[in-house]
Amino acid sequence: QKEVEQNSGPLSVPEGAIASLNCTYSDRGSQSFFWYRQYSGKSPELIMFIYSNGDKEDGRFTAQLNKASQYVSLLIRDSQPSDSATYLCAGGQRGGSNYKLTFGKGTLLTVNP
Amino acid sequence: NAGVTQTPKFRILKIGQSMTLQCTQDMNHNYMYWYRQDPGMGLKLIYYSVGAGITDKGEVPNGYNVSRSTTEDFPLRLELAAPSQTSVYFCASRYRDQPQHFGDGTRLSIL
Repeated sequence: QKEVEQNSGPLSVPEGAIASLNCTYSDRGSQSFFWYRQYSGKSPELIMFIYSNGDKEDGRFTAQLNKASQYVSLLIRDSQPSDSATYLCAGGQRGGSNYKLTFGKGTLLTVNP
Repeated sequence: NAGVTQTPKFRILKIGQSMTLQCTQDMNHNYMYWYRQDPGMGLKLIYYSVGAGITDKGEVPNGYNVSRSTTEDFPLRLELAAPSQTSVYFCASRYRDQPQHFGDGTRLSIL
């Protein structure tokens, strides 16, 4: 069974610090990975996606993918209280006919002012 | 461009009643999904569709039915509502291997 594992947290960081969120996956066929942010009572919104090994940066966010270790991470630099939310990691295959994503249960991040 | 639209936003049902949760997307996405999310839990896939006329079961399909007669619409049907179906329901759509886009959700309580 394909699984995506995340530390449920809560992860607590002070304002201005770097928050590091981690995710491991079991399906070696997974080639696309997504990070979603979900505020309490709201729907998930896309933060980053990454398809290739290495780092991908977008503003304060950096996604990192290591396919050999089956590991994905999301770094949030200069964390703000508005970043406090649950972060969902998701993985899926590319190509073929399987376009389902497998979601982790999410990590709750709290940024303290 | 409205994205993914879900209706209703809130609903209270009595045990045994039936209802349909509506989902419409205007992005011409071929893939559509229904998830449920219980408090403190992740997203569980109920059903998905890879195109009009094609649907398949996800992890937790029991008690639900879907249809996909058009590219835009993917309604979810609850036939005999049970308390275990109290949850938040999210519809999502996607083009091939691009990111999924989520609707705002439907909060459903069954009493």
